[in-house]
Amino acid sequence: NAGVTQTPKFQVLKTGQSMTLQCAQDMNHEYMSWYRQDPGMGLRLIHYSVGAGITDQGEVPNGYNVSRSTTEDFPLRLLSAAPSQTSVYFCASTGGNSPLHFGNGTRLTVT
Amino acid sequence: KNQVEQSPQSLIILEGKNCTLQCNYTVSPFSNLRWYKQDTGRGPVSLTIMTFSENTKSNGRYTATLDADTKQSSLHITASQLSDSASYICVVSEGRPNFVFGPGTRLSVLP
Repeated sequence: NAGVTQTPKFQVLKTGQSMTLQCAQDMNHEYMSWYRQDPGMGLRLIHYSVGAGITDQGEVPNGYNVSRSTTEDFPLRLLSAAPSQTSVYFCASTGGNSPLHFGNGTRLTVT
Repeated sequence: KNQVEQSPQSLIILEGKNCTLQCNYTVSPFSNLRWYKQDTGRGPVSLTIMTFSENTKSNGRYTATLDADTKQSSLHITASQLSDSASYICVVSEGRPNFVFGPGTRLSVLP
């Protein structure tokens, strides 16, 4: 099993550009989520989904969009990148009583 | 506000020594508490899960304790190895999707 796969690993954007961070899982988990990790802070929830076609906002959703058209995929879109969105982004999934399974992150720099 | 605090912020020990990491939380209601290990450049990986009725759980050289009355948990690492160098994150769950992440303790094990 590949688990949770995130692409790209690194990305540099200019202010105002848009992009999509990809996340795919092969464990048939119904729950998927996006977090950002900043130095000295715990991971913060951006958006989450409890199943295909269902998404909801987390703690820090502004500037980000998500969609869940399939169980496997949960892309995160940055609409107009800002320097404050410089961070490491993690996608995670879980199902049943399993722990959160994380991808290896996307390191995003916005200049 | 639901919070998870961890101490120390960072810790340096010599290979073969033991150490204990602390987690205090104010999350309510409480579903479970997990400790995750995060290697540099990777996503967090679950080490242990504690539910309300459990006070000790081991996973190899890792032993987690939980005192639900005082809302404290600890992670004890025995006979440390160089591969234990990582960040250790305490995560308290109210129930999906509400996971509250601590900021982590950065452990460095030196030869």
